Amino acid sequence: AQSVAQPEDQVNVAEGNPLTVKCTYSVSGNPYLFWYVQYPNRGLQFLLKYITGDNLVKGSYGFEAEFNKSQTSFHLKKPSALVSDSALYFCAVRGSGGGADGLTFGKGTHLIIQP
Amino acid sequence: GAVVSQHPSWVICKSGTSVKIECRSLDFQATTMFWYRQFPKQSLMLMATSNEGSKATYEQGVEKDKFLINHASLTLSTLTVTSAHPEDSSFYICSATGSSSYEQYFGPGTRLTVT
Repeated sequence: AQSVAQPEDQVNVAEGNPLTVKCTYSVSGNPYLFWYVQYPNRGLQFLLKYITGDNLVKGSYGFEAEFNKSQTSFHLKKPSALVSDSALYFCAVRGSGGGADGLTFGKGTHLIIQP
Repeated sequence: GAVVSQHPSWVICKSGTSVKIECRSLDFQATTMFWYRQFPKQSLMLMATSNEGSKATYEQGVEKDKFLINHASLTLSTLTVTSAHPEDSSFYICSATGSSSYEQYFGPGTRLTVT
């Protein structure tokens, strides 16, 4: 069975500082990894994904994430946080088996950017 | 591109009644659609996977007779919550994959409240 761990319920960062939201995963075979952001009472917005290739993945709104196979991690990062980045962030994984599979999500991390 | 809509965005129904939620892919053909459920302050849990023209595959613990899924066309899947109870109150989110099965595009969600 696949799983995702987001060890922090909440991350507080001052505006302008770099931010990191942590994610580790467990999956059989090669992982497909995703980050999504959710604003209150809204659906999920796609930020970025890792399928194969470069370990550093760049996504929407200046976010990036680094795939680390040895540590089974896929931490989300941004060099300079904005107040508007405050939201709920989900890391998700699926295995690379054939066909389309549903995603397994982490429990989410509330990111709070303080002015 | 890759827009998924849901209707209604919110619904209130009385205990014992049934509610239908629609999920549509607006600008692509969705070979597979997924239904997720999100309780307040919790993560998304995959309920079922549906492929056009075939029966849905339900995750363990999800009652298929209670949560009826119909994927009648490549652009429409419906979730019907039958004989709804207050514990079915939740945020229901659908997603869809197109020709590339790597990425899922999420709808905005439907807030169901059963009184």
